[in-house]
Amino acid sequence: EPEVTQTPSHQVTQMGQEVILRCVPISNHLYFYWYRQILGQKVEFLVSFYNNEISEKSEIFDDQFSVERPDGSNFTLKIRSTKLEDSAMYFCASSLSHGQGYEQYFGPGTRLTVT
Amino acid sequence: AQTVTQSQPEMSVQEAETVTLSCTYDTSESDYYLFWYKQPPSRQMILVIRQEAYKQQNATENRFSVNFQKAAKSFSLKISDSQLGDAAMYFCAYRSPTSGTYKYIFGTGTRLKVLA
Repeated sequence: EPEVTQTPSHQVTQMGQEVILRCVPISNHLYFYWYRQILGQKVEFLVSFYNNEISEKSEIFDDQFSVERPDGSNFTLKIRSTKLEDSAMYFCASSLSHGQGYEQYFGPGTRLTVT
Repeated sequence: AQTVTQSQPEMSVQEAETVTLSCTYDTSESDYYLFWYKQPPSRQMILVIRQEAYKQQNATENRFSVNFQKAAKSFSLKISDSQLGDAAMYFCAYRSPTSGTYKYIFGTGTRLKVLA
């Protein structure tokens, strides 16, 4: 069965550095998402992406964050100038559509640790 | 704004027994989608079961079923004949039907341990 993949599984970075988290969504999916989960807290929505543009973003997704689909397969989340509070598990997801029944398929996550 | 609450951080069940995980939500919308996702250790979240709010019948998928109480805004997951492979983190999620809003709103999750 097709799966969403994410790399790396764990990223350690120093405060102030830029990181890029990578995701390969399921190949025929059209909608892409990033979520994050700070340890012990809820999984929170960051951004959704369709047709090469952001369709929705949360208040968390400020100018520090950006997303890109640089080619036909990858979907990336860039975090500029990382802060300690950016330490979290970041999940990528994709869906075929947005309508009824088209659930989101999630990747295994990237654990980001900012020191 | 919608919220989802899972009040049980951790649950344990004996193999072959039945366990119920609770989820409540708050919304002013009359139609919406609800989901239960399972996340095994170091693996991705996979969909266990979904429920459309306009459907009165509770969804079932093999050993998994839900008790959807719309008026009470409750969406519990029942796992029958629990197996060792059911051990995982379980997340309840809400999705609005509103066009342009496709995000999931998650609860904090319930860690299920299955005892042999």
